[in-house]
Amino acid sequence: GAGVSQTPSNKVTEKGKYVELRCDPISGHTALYWYRQSLGQGPEFLIYFQGTGAADDSGLPNDRFFAVRPEGSVSTLKIQRTERGDSAVYLCASSSGQASTDTQYFGPGTRLTVL
Amino acid sequence: QKEVEQDPGPLSVPEGAIVSLNCTYSNSAFQYFMWYRQYSRKGPELLMYTYSSGNKEDGRFTAQVDKSSKYISLFIRDSQPSDSATYLCAMTSLGRLYFGRGTQLTVWP
Repeated sequence: GAGVSQTPSNKVTEKGKYVELRCDPISGHTALYWYRQSLGQGPEFLIYFQGTGAADDSGLPNDRFFAVRPEGSVSTLKIQRTERGDSAVYLCASSSGQASTDTQYFGPGTRLTVL
Repeated sequence: QKEVEQDPGPLSVPEGAIVSLNCTYSNSAFQYFMWYRQYSRKGPELLMYTYSSGNKEDGRFTAQVDKSSKYISLFIRDSQPSDSATYLCAMTSLGRLYFGRGTQLTVWP
């Protein structure tokens, strides 16, 4: 596909469980971003990858959250010991990576519900 | 205080009305200003992108930036029911985006 894809589209889990959320960026895009959007709020930055490395992870709320991008394409956001407050839509975006001002293209998001 | 403030609305207008959406910000380091549109259960999509103070027009949409007042606006002329969505202002410094909370707009026929 031409756009950013995210799987699963919905994830329901129980408090304390581990979850993985996947993002497939636009082909050729070297920059990848994760954001979290709570109900009624705008997206909040979590982490930014340039290639395989995390260039800025200052938005990760605590050490239960971790993200990887081992081959510089697909990225996985991992959440350990989930809490009810983690319930939100997790958005992934990618850009060409040529400049920090490049347009970010967003995927449809993964809606995470922690019971 | 959040770095980007945006009135969440909701805003409800009749078809054909002019819509005005606004955001204020506090961080002088913000250099680029964007408006995204988000339909229900979809990701945000970029509508307008501006850098300098002044106006930028694209069809029925006009983005306005006033850096001295730290204030940005989006105007929608001849609004259509298909414009019904949440509009998010966003600003960038060093790549990461800072979003307002979004204004929910409904345009009724």
